[in-house]
Parts: sequence; structure tokens; C-alpha cells
Amino acid sequence: EVQLVESGGGLVQPGGSLRLSCAASGFTFSSYEMNWVRQAPGKGLEWVSHISSSGSPIYYADSVKGRFTISRDNAKNSLYLQMNSLRAEDTAVYYCARRTYAGNSRTFDYWGQGTLVTVSS
Amino acid sequence: DIQMTQSPSSLSASVGDRVTITCRASQTLSSYLNWYQQKPGKGPKLLIYAASSLQSGVPSRFSGSGSGTDFTLTISSLQPEDFATYYCQQSYINPDTFGQGTKLEIK
Repeated sequence: EVQLVESGGGLVQPGGSLRLSCAASGFTFSSYEMNWVRQAPGKGLEWVSHISSSGSPIYYADSVKGRFTISRDNAKNSLYLQMNSLRAEDTAVYYCARRTYAGNSRTFDYWGQGTLVTVSS
Repeated sequence: DIQMTQSPSSLSASVGDRVTITCRASQTLSSYLNWYQQKPGKGPKLLIYAASSLQSGVPSRFSGSGSGTDFTLTISSLQPEDFATYYCQQSYINPDTFGQGTKLEIK
């Protein structure tokens, strides 16, 4: 069974840093591209970052470029998101999601349960 | 970025009803359109990919159609477990973008 379990969320002051982790199991992690997607309280979904199966290439949403860093450790079946210079508008539940290519679409076929990041003084 | 607009934003329906949710893109997507279901406190679940293909394990009462800029998700006969929020997502042009969601509530 595919499982994605996020951790590392919490309350942080504006300008602070936080590192999120996503532990993957039930599939060959090193074969899949992975992403972070966030959801502000009561709002919709926003793609944040992508990392290929090997670790490169990497892409970021304009809203987090230069502040967030995605990485992975295939030996540990883990995905990470280092978040620096956090702002109030970064407050959200952060999901890790597996990328799959099916038919004529890229999809996010499995998601974790999310971890809440709250940026507030 | 491609803007995705869903309608309606919320919908009240009864068990057994047929329900249709619409998603419109700001530019053509071919068939690069996916649908997700999200329940409170959970991550989204993939229902439909490539506009009309049913993800493995998803009940056949869910179906998708459309191409270009206009897409629909149809639930043929609502079941109690279908009350949730539904999102469309385009994967035609980076970055992937989502609709704002349609909350399906029990009447």
C-alpha cells in the first residue's frame, strides 16, 4: 500500500524557518517524481514545488522561489521542503504528492494527509 | 498561469441524485485535465485523469468528459460517501493549477 506521511509542521514566526519531511513507503520511491502542494485554511490547492526522481530538475512556484528548497533522499525514501523567510501567506497545510503520467495527463496519484504550517507572531 | 474556474462553488444534493460539476480553463488544455475528491482533514484523491479516464478503484458512478477549455465531472447516483469537495487540475502547461473547488453538501 502506498503511504506518504508528512511531518515537521508547526507554529513559526514571520521570517523564520521550518523543514518539512515526507516519508514514503509501499512503492519504489526512487522511480517517482515528487511534489509539494499546499492549501491555505479554507482555500483551494496550490502547487509549490517539484523534484524529479533523480533530484534534478527542480521547479518552484513563483510565490516561493528563492525561499523554499525541495530535496530528496532516495536511500531513506524521504522528501523534504526547507522553508526560509516564512510569511503569513505561507500558512497552509502542506501535502506531499506522488507524480504519475497516465494517458494524456500528469497526475498526482497519491497524497499524504498533510502537515499544518502556521506563520504568526 | 492557466486559470481554472469551477462552477458551482457549492452544491446541495440528495442521495441518489445525478450531479454535474463544470471546470473551465482560461486556455485550451487538450485533455490534460484531472479531477480530485477531498474530504475534511484528508489529502485529495485522484478520481479522473486525462479528462475521462477512471482511476483504478474509483466507482463507475464517477465519469468525466470534455476537451479544450470545458470539462465536466458527473456523479450518476450520489452515495453518502460522495459528499466532499471536488477539484479540477490542469497539467497542460507548467505550473499545474487547480480550480477553486466545488463543495458538495447533503440537502
